[in-house]
Amino acid sequence: AQSVAQPEDQVNVAEGNPLTVKCTYSVSGNPYLFWYVQYPNRGLQFLLKYITGDNLVKGSYGFEAEFNKSQTSFHLKKPSALVSDSALYFCAVRDMESSGSARQLTFGSGTQLTVLP
Amino acid sequence: DGGITQSPKYLFRKEGQNVTLSCEQNLNHDAMYWYRQDPGQGLRLIYYSQIVNDFQKGDIAEGYSVSREKKESFPLTVTSAQKNPTAFYLCASSPRAGTILASGANVLTFGAGSRLTVL
Repeated sequence: AQSVAQPEDQVNVAEGNPLTVKCTYSVSGNPYLFWYVQYPNRGLQFLLKYITGDNLVKGSYGFEAEFNKSQTSFHLKKPSALVSDSALYFCAVRDMESSGSARQLTFGSGTQLTVLP
Repeated sequence: DGGITQSPKYLFRKEGQNVTLSCEQNLNHDAMYWYRQDPGQGLRLIYYSQIVNDFQKGDIAEGYSVSREKKESFPLTVTSAQKNPTAFYLCASSPRAGTILASGANVLTFGAGSRLTVL
């Protein structure tokens, strides 16, 4: 079985400060990992993904995420937050070795990021 | 512009009525998905289809039905059997690459969502 946890429902950060949105996962094999962002009453937009290779993945809008296999984490980061980064962020995982209906993404419960001016 | 169109954006339903949510894509994607979003619960997979005329149940298929008669279209019917249908419904699609591993790495493209409220 695959699962993903976002331990923080809400993250507040001041504009210009670095931000981190946490994600941990559980898979039996190796993971595919994704971050998506959702603005109010909209669908999700892709930010970045980890498939293989470098543990530090760079994505859209200046976001990056670091894959840490020993800690089973894939935290989303940005060096300097903008007010426009305020949104709901979702981490998602898929086990490379899964089959059948489990071969679809499992999403976390989401973290609401608020960047304060 | 290529993308996914969901309609209607807002829908109100009386208890006991079936409703159908539309999802159309012009991305030439093989795979399509329906998710349900509830506050604090993230996204849960209702149904998915990897090819025309074929679809599979996701984690919460009870009370829902789908069809995939055309590659571009994947409508979702919320039936009266769905006990708590008030939610935000998201349709998504992805290309289906030739290998299992490669298709698993594909990014989902989402529609803007349909908000269903049962009165």
